[in-house]
Amino acid sequence: GEDVEQSLFLSVREGDSSVINCTYTDSSSTYLYWYKQEPGAGLQLLTYIFSNMDMKQDQRLTVLLNKKDKHLSLRIADTQTGDSAIYFCAESSPYNTDKLIFGTGTRLQVFP
Amino acid sequence: GAVVSQHPSRVICKSGTSVKIECRSLDFQATTMFWYRQFPKQSLMLMATSNEGSKATYEQGVEKDKFLINHASLTLSTLTVTSAHPEDSSFYICSARAERLAGFYNEQFFGPGTRLTVL
Repeated sequence: GEDVEQSLFLSVREGDSSVINCTYTDSSSTYLYWYKQEPGAGLQLLTYIFSNMDMKQDQRLTVLLNKKDKHLSLRIADTQTGDSAIYFCAESSPYNTDKLIFGTGTRLQVFP
Repeated sequence: GAVVSQHPSRVICKSGTSVKIECRSLDFQATTMFWYRQFPKQSLMLMATSNEGSKATYEQGVEKDKFLINHASLTLSTLTVTSAHPEDSSFYICSARAERLAGFYNEQFFGPGTRLTVL
């Protein structure tokens, strides 16, 4: 089956690193994604990783993929108050790449 | 970047009435649009995939006669919730795929969502 799980809440101090974790069940997924949702705005694609990669870095963002454990993480370095939002991981269904299967979202709160 | 708008952002209606939600791609043409539903503290669930000029493809468990989708142009898709009931209250989000924009080829651009409350 298709199921993506995340912890619901994470609180970090400004300047620290944030690590948001995600587990998924379908090892056949081609792409895995991280989206950011701010109040009143649509989901914004932050980054994605192809399933044959272990790591991808993009400025302050680092994505780690452990296919064996079906674990995906997003690390945000030097977290800022503007990073406060809900972060969703998602996988593309191997049966239909148009179909994104989302996690429940992790609310990141950054305090000064 | 690519912008997707939704209208209205919030709607309250009486049980038994129908509500139409619009999804527009503002600066690109979207051959494919998607409609999602999000319950509080839950993930987005894909309801249907809409291709311009053809019938929408609904996910299992989604009633197509209840949730009417029309994708009449490359920039507009509408979702009509017919004979709405309180259990239809939810956050409805659309996305649009731009196949020729720079960047990730399969990227979906999301609207800000519409909160529907049925009394």
